[in-house]
Amino acid sequence: GQQLNQSPQSMFIQEGEDVSMNCTSSSIFNTWLWYKQDPGEGPVLLIALYKAGELTSNGRLTAQFGITRKDSFLNISASIPSDVGIYFCAGSSGTYKYIFGTGTRLKVLA
Amino acid sequence: GAVVSQHPSRVICKSGTSVKIECRSLDFQATTMFWYRQFPKQSLMLMATSNEGSKATYEQGVEKDKFLINHASLTLSTLTVTSAHPEDSSFYICSARDYLTGELFFGEGSRLTVL
Repeated sequence: GQQLNQSPQSMFIQEGEDVSMNCTSSSIFNTWLWYKQDPGEGPVLLIALYKAGELTSNGRLTAQFGITRKDSFLNISASIPSDVGIYFCAGSSGTYKYIFGTGTRLKVLA
Repeated sequence: GAVVSQHPSRVICKSGTSVKIECRSLDFQATTMFWYRQFPKQSLMLMATSNEGSKATYEQGVEKDKFLINHASLTLSTLTVTSAHPEDSSFYICSARDYLTGELFFGEGSRLTVL
């Protein structure tokens, strides 16, 4: 099925560093969602974005809905070891379906 | 956030038997639920969309007779893997869409192992 282009695919960072990842689409979306998935568990919703240009924070996480409506960004500030996991973006064009990104695997080195 | 409960979390069955997985939205009504399959180190693969009170919509390549989906109420959808084979072993995840906010919440996932 269709997937969104998410980058980077994986990243190793030092504890305390900031992290940035993004998702791009060939089509316009009305909603962007960001998830974190731990091994063997279902994804957990981190942030939901509903408007172009919207910037929303959830603790150390900040996500933005790109003004072109074809991309979204997630930043994690001052990373800690428990941030390790796979981060997925998901976009919807207004129908009930969401398309998911390919995932960014984050590893934090203490 | 909203809670979606998936059960069982792990199931082991013999080849040829059927397995049912339940997905419940605990604190919101979900007119639409989704079923995914996830292979190791890969993203979620949408299998089907489950609509309350009507037939499920299956993605291309997913056998509807193999993966039976029932969405009998606004809070419950079930996936039945019929005549399971070892190649059906996988991590199955459901999600439920909150019809008020449009947000999508996931269950904890079910690890199926077919011997």
